[in-house]
Amino acid sequence: SQQGEEDPQALSIQEGENATMNCSYKTSINNLQWYRQNSGRGLVHLILIRSNEREKHSGRLRVTLDTSKKSSSLLITASRAADTASYFCATVLNSGGYQKVTFGTGTKLQVIP
Amino acid sequence: DAMVIQNPRYQVTQFGKPVTLSCSQTLNHNVMYWYQQKSSQAPKLLFHYYDKDFNNEADTPDNFQSRRPNTSFCFLDIRSPGLGDAAMYLCATSIDRALAKNIQYFGAGTRLSVL
Repeated sequence: SQQGEEDPQALSIQEGENATMNCSYKTSINNLQWYRQNSGRGLVHLILIRSNEREKHSGRLRVTLDTSKKSSSLLITASRAADTASYFCATVLNSGGYQKVTFGTGTKLQVIP
Repeated sequence: DAMVIQNPRYQVTQFGKPVTLSCSQTLNHNVMYWYQQKSSQAPKLLFHYYDKDFNNEADTPDNFQSRRPNTSFCFLDIRSPGLGDAAMYLCATSIDRALAKNIQYFGAGTRLSVL
């Protein structure tokens, strides 16, 4: 079964608004990553947060991690039309001696100009 | 500059006709992965190579095979494609699978259609 479940599945906002996506997972993790996927393309790594971190920022991105609730959120502030994409959380945990990355179901974000 | 390159971008094959997808990387990463992604779903790991060591996921069908002739290239072979194998196939690399970060770098994908 998938490690990460994301919520909402789809989100539509106006340009300039903030977008928040949530990810819940089931087991202990080493770190959690967020990736972005433009339609019909590969995934691009956005940000990584370690299991001992609670919040991390990168430009307009803010990621939080609550290991007690096994959840993470990605906030995109002042959204732009170019932010339209699918966003995936990915959990990383030790599996058979290596760090296994498992992707969540994704949130499809549409930013309307 | 493209760092993980997948060819072709679109591939059409016939039911049961073997097909090979290719991936190359200029990053000199030790690990190469193959994922299957169906519409509006998460990428699903099929297998990965750690250097020359092949690691298959438990639920990957035998119909899917892979070859890594050298560090730069990795191939996905689908021996007898079925209609259910139509999907986007993503290749990714990472420096080393033992690193805690294990950030992955993806190619643009190959969209496979099965007629």
